[in-house]
Amino acid sequence: AQKITQTQPGMFVQEKEAVTLDCTYDTSDQSYGLFWYKQPSSGEMIFLIYQGSYDEQNATEGRYSLNFQKARKSANLVISASQLGDSAMYFCAMREPYLQGGSEKLVFGKGTKLTVNP
Amino acid sequence: DAGVTQSPTHLIKTRGQQVTLRCSPKSGHDTVSWYQQALGQGPQFIFQYYEEEERQRGNFPDRFSGHQFPNYSSELNVNALLLGDSALYLCASSSASGRWYEQFFGPGTRLTVL
Repeated sequence: AQKITQTQPGMFVQEKEAVTLDCTYDTSDQSYGLFWYKQPSSGEMIFLIYQGSYDEQNATEGRYSLNFQKARKSANLVISASQLGDSAMYFCAMREPYLQGGSEKLVFGKGTKLTVNP
Repeated sequence: DAGVTQSPTHLIKTRGQQVTLRCSPKSGHDTVSWYQQALGQGPQFIFQYYEEEERQRGNFPDRFSGHQFPNYSSELNVNALLLGDSALYLCASSSASGRWYEQFFGPGTRLTVL
């Protein structure tokens, strides 16, 4: 079974600086996908970035990039030029393959609370 | 284009009662997944509905049941509520034939069991 580990319960960063949120995963599948979601205090999970296990290049979406190190089974999220609005919970997740119709489910880590200081 | 909507926003129940939560998926989506997020934890998969059938189920007791309607909307029912059922319940919609990694989440229903 897939497992996601986020070892940083909380992180602090100064506005305009970069921050890295750690994520390690465990799976026996060769094909898998990794996600990062942002959850503000409102509760809604906001999709940030996705990395497929066969993607040769690290995924980037605006200020978000995913540092994918397959051999180490890590998928760290890098946020550049932090903004006050980036303060939120961040969750790393992995898709669990399912081939019988419908979509794959997601397995989430426990999250990291990011606080951006002015 | 409305995203995923959930109702109600908040709910307070007492132990032993039953509750029904509702979810309307994003337009064009046919698959609905339900997640439970306890305080301080990541979301945990409850079950998924596709073509009006439960396709996958996580490690949750039979007290948790669901339904999907022909218009793809879905309900989550929880019977015999326990204090431990207090959580944020998230609904996610996706398209089985589309880009599967695009799962859109609703704002959630916060359930408090007293």
